[in-house]
Amino acid sequence: EDQVTQSPEALRLQEGESSSLNCSYTVSGLRGLFWYRQDPGKGPEFLFTLYSAGEEKEKERLKATLTKKESFLHITAPKPEDSATYLCAVQGARSNDYKLSFGAGTTVTVRA
Amino acid sequence: NAGVTQTPKFQVLKTGQSMTLQCAQDMNHNSMYWYRQDPGMGLRLIYYSASEGTTDKGEVPNGYNVSRLNKREFSLRLESAAPSQTSVYFCASFRKTHGELFFGEGSRLTVL
Repeated sequence: EDQVTQSPEALRLQEGESSSLNCSYTVSGLRGLFWYRQDPGKGPEFLFTLYSAGEEKEKERLKATLTKKESFLHITAPKPEDSATYLCAVQGARSNDYKLSFGAGTTVTVRA
Repeated sequence: NAGVTQTPKFQVLKTGQSMTLQCAQDMNHNSMYWYRQDPGMGLRLIYYSASEGTTDKGEVPNGYNVSRLNKREFSLRLESAAPSQTSVYFCASFRKTHGELFFGEGSRLTVL
């Protein structure tokens, strides 16, 4: 069974204070690792897909990296509008039809 | 663009009552999904439909049924609601080219 563990559960940052979120995963053959952002009362919104170890993707202040066992979401010089819950998900080789397994998320609060 | 639309947004039920959550997408995606989200547990897949005319169980299907009415619509039915089904339910559709799930805004269900 595919498993995803995210840490920390919550992260409080000062505006401009860079940090990283961790996503550890166990899958039998990784087809893809996904990062989503979720604002309170809203559905998750897609950020990135990573397919192989060593791959990196960037979007504004966010950068996602992937190793064989974990992924990191780096937030550089965050702003209050980066406050959200960040979800990590994986699709394993046994998972057909694009079924994803999600972690519980990291809730990021950025104070001005 | 509407994307994925869910109704109702909020619902309160008594134990044993039945109800149907409706979901429609206007992006011509083949695959559609129903997830539930509970605090500390992440998103868990209830049922999915890889294409029109097919449905399959996910991780937590007990107590639910689904219908893929056509390519656009995928409904989730609770035949006899239980307090354990109190949750936030999300419908999603999948864009294969980007490996991206598009989520609706969620339906918040409370079972008393």
